[in-house]
Amino acid sequence: SQQGEEDPQALSIQEGENATMNCSYKTSINNLQWYRQNSGRGLVHLILIRSNEREKHSGRLRVTLDTSKKSSSLLITASRAADTASYFCATGLSSNYKLTFGKGTLLTVNP
Amino acid sequence: NAGVTQTPKFQVLKTGQSMTLQCAQDMNHEYMSWYRQDPGMGLRLIHYSVGAGITDQGEVPNGYNVSRSTTEDFPLRLLSAAPSQTSVYFCASSPGQGAYNQPQHFGDGTRLSIL
Repeated sequence: SQQGEEDPQALSIQEGENATMNCSYKTSINNLQWYRQNSGRGLVHLILIRSNEREKHSGRLRVTLDTSKKSSSLLITASRAADTASYFCATGLSSNYKLTFGKGTLLTVNP
Repeated sequence: NAGVTQTPKFQVLKTGQSMTLQCAQDMNHEYMSWYRQDPGMGLRLIHYSVGAGITDQGEVPNGYNVSRSTTEDFPLRLLSAAPSQTSVYFCASSPGQGAYNQPQHFGDGTRLSIL
């Protein structure tokens, strides 16, 4: 069964705008990761945030984690056409060694 | 540094045929896994391995076999292909013995169609 669920399923914005994607999950986790997938390619790791962290930054990416609400958000600032991709959250639990992926958000950045 | 290499990139099979999807990594990663990606379903874990000689089932293992005789290679075998196995298959690897706390390195996938 899926642990993480992204929202919205699809998002279309103009270049230069910010994009926010959300991820909700059902059970306690140790870590949460965000990945990007360009069309026809494999997934690329963006950020890992641990359960004792609330916010993490990487370049134009900002990830927040609220364990009390079992949710995370990914913010991409000043979006570019090259950011057009699907974005997935994945939750990790130490007891089962695995990552469980959500269904993804398709982000389209229009030039 | 090639990372994770999957072959073939595309394959068409007939129902009942068998085949092996190859996955190799050159990063000396202990953890390797196979996912399938279907429209609207996200990625689902098929099998995974925490090191040479050790494999375990994921979420959707039926119809697939794996083995891990070396650190570098983790082939996925379809025993008797069925149309329901039409999908895009991704192999991933990471250091350590758990995917939950390490960034995963993905290959570019094998697009498989079963007629």
